[in-house]
Amino acid sequence: EAQVTQNPRYLITVTGKKLTVTCSQNMNHEYMSWYRQDPGLGLRQIYYSMNVEVTDKGDVPEGYKVSRKEKRNFPLILESPSPNQTSLYFCASSWGQGGQPQHFGDGTRLSIL
Amino acid sequence: TQLLEQSPQFLSIQEGENLTVYCNSSSVFSSLQWYRQEPGEGPVLLVTVVTGGEVKKLKRLTFQFGDARKDSSLHITAAQPGDTGLYLCAGGKGTASKLTFGTGTRLQVTL
Repeated sequence: EAQVTQNPRYLITVTGKKLTVTCSQNMNHEYMSWYRQDPGLGLRQIYYSMNVEVTDKGDVPEGYKVSRKEKRNFPLILESPSPNQTSLYFCASSWGQGGQPQHFGDGTRLSIL
Repeated sequence: TQLLEQSPQFLSIQEGENLTVYCNSSSVFSSLQWYRQEPGEGPVLLVTVVTGGEVKKLKRLTFQFGDARKDSSLHITAAQPGDTGLYLCAGGKGTASKLTFGTGTRLQVTL
């Protein structure tokens, strides 16, 4: 079954404690992306990757890092989380360029206290 | 700046009613996608429209792309409780690095 898998699904943590949200896709997609979803603000792109070792900033990259060492994995790293990063996060993938239809994971709800 | 405006933001209707959701922009898009998101899940693609004036039907859902490719609409006929969810439009621009998402329309259909 084609899918994008995120872990963890839920996480409550404290300010400053480094965390990583993993994302893996089994569709051999070139393009992967991270979004955050906040009430009234919709889906905003954090980082994206066109292919292995190719990453770039989206609309709201501050406070986040990513890496793309393998085609299937695209982890999101919060080196020093802060309360304003409390949000619902989605990983997505697609073939080709970023304007193509996206396959989304089921989301990770992060609460930073 | 939000490039894609959706209206209405919220819609609560009874089963059997018809409704239309609008997605408007001042920008031209090469494609327009509609997604539905249910609680606890990620958005799921419903349809992609790519040609100005294009109409696509998915059972009781009818999607239309504006002639100038700046706007789109989603019409649901005889809504059912299973249609409840957040509807998102998203515009793509050819080889652009990302989609531009609208803020969404939250639909609730009650018995």
